[in-house]
Amino acid sequence: EVQLVESGGGVIQPGGSLRLSCSASGFTLSNFWIHWVRQAPGGGLVYVARIKPDASRAEYADSVKGRFTISRDNAKNMVYLQMNSLRVEDTAVYYCAREGPVIIKNFDYWGQGTLVTVPS
Amino acid sequence: QSVLTQPPAVSGAPGQTISISCTGSSSNIGAGFDVHWYQQAQGAAPKLLIYGNNHRPSGVPDRFAGSKSGTSGSLAITGLQAEDEADYYCQSFDISLSGGYIFGTGTKVTVL
Repeated sequence: EVQLVESGGGVIQPGGSLRLSCSASGFTLSNFWIHWVRQAPGGGLVYVARIKPDASRAEYADSVKGRFTISRDNAKNMVYLQMNSLRVEDTAVYYCAREGPVIIKNFDYWGQGTLVTVPS
Repeated sequence: QSVLTQPPAVSGAPGQTISISCTGSSSNIGAGFDVHWYQQAQGAAPKLLIYGNNHRPSGVPDRFAGSKSGTSGSLAITGLQAEDEADYYCQSFDISLSGGYIFGTGTKVTVL
């Protein structure tokens, strides 16, 4: 059974840093792009970042570029999101999601999410 | 940012048929990229409902059907059931945006 489990969320002051983790099981992580998607309280889904299966390329939404870094360790079945210079507007539930077949460009499995709160 | 527009809310009685639209543009759906749909129950993670415009993953009831035409996609739910009450999001890819992966604004479905 494919499973993605996020951890590492919490309350962090503006300007602070936090690292989220995504533990993958039930599939071969090294075969898939993995994304982070966030959802602000009461808001919609927003793409944050993605990383290539061999970690050779990472892409980011403009809103987090230069502040967030996505990485992965396929041997440990883990994907990470390092978040620096956090802002109030980064408050959200952060989901890791597996990208389906590349040509399709969708997300076929999602984790349960982890909440990051940056208070004003 | 959302560049796919959905109605904020749609409602229907049990057994009825409802439809949710997802309006994009020539840089995303109109450029030939597929439309996908996700269902998100209250307090839960999104779940893939429809992929590649009109394909259902294993386990998704055939009451859910997707379609695409021009710059828009659509999700139809026939024989509406109480358990269908949730938020629904469309998703596609946009060649003009950094990152490219885009979601719709979301639609709250209420079963009356």
